[in-house]
Amino acid sequence: QKEVEQNSGPLSVPEGAIASLNCTYSDRGSQSFFWYRQYSGKSPELIMFIYSNGDKEDGRFTAQLNKASQYVSLLIRDSQPSDSATYLCAVSTATSGTYKYIFGTGTRLKVLA
Amino acid sequence: GAVVSQHPSRVICKSGTSVKIECRSLDFQATTMFWYRQFPKQSLMLMATSNEGSKATYEQGVEKDKFLINHASLTLSTLTVTSAHPEDSSFYICSALGTGRTSYNSPLHFGNGTRLTVT
Repeated sequence: QKEVEQNSGPLSVPEGAIASLNCTYSDRGSQSFFWYRQYSGKSPELIMFIYSNGDKEDGRFTAQLNKASQYVSLLIRDSQPSDSATYLCAVSTATSGTYKYIFGTGTRLKVLA
Repeated sequence: GAVVSQHPSRVICKSGTSVKIECRSLDFQATTMFWYRQFPKQSLMLMATSNEGSKATYEQGVEKDKFLINHASLTLSTLTVTSAHPEDSSFYICSALGTGRTSYNSPLHFGNGTRLTVT
């Protein structure tokens, strides 16, 4: 089982719609969860992070975390063509006194104008 | 804040040669830097974790003698791909955590990446 799983997509949504991106993780001890956006040929850029169960909103983005279900999601409201990119879910896990950031394979989002 | 600079952005080298990639934290001191590799349409794979002043910790399957990592100062880490081969062609990305940010709650800040092509 992969440590961090995402649907590879592509997920296509019309401009102005809500895009919903999902991520599951296998390590129940994971504490921190991050969403990154990566344009083709570029490095990832941080969108937002969440530590506690529930929702966290930042502008058009809302991250949702459910630790019991080991599930984290990202909602993008009023999607724009410029949001078209690959969205990476990352999980931070402490192991033997050290910590690692594990990335999912990413979901490719296409926002159709 | 939290700017990470990576150089070069693109490099082409011949098989058998070595390539050095630099990763600098510009506006903060980075005690920990992570080196990732990304093949086309795949996720970021952690290669190694480097802490300033100590030896890097390599992930399973990553050859430490081939991928030399040096983290000599709080603002600079280097990755040297020795005796590069075409299968080493990939996108290499560094990321950094600032001093005092040893908790795994801190987000990573990435450099712009280096596209390595070995011919």
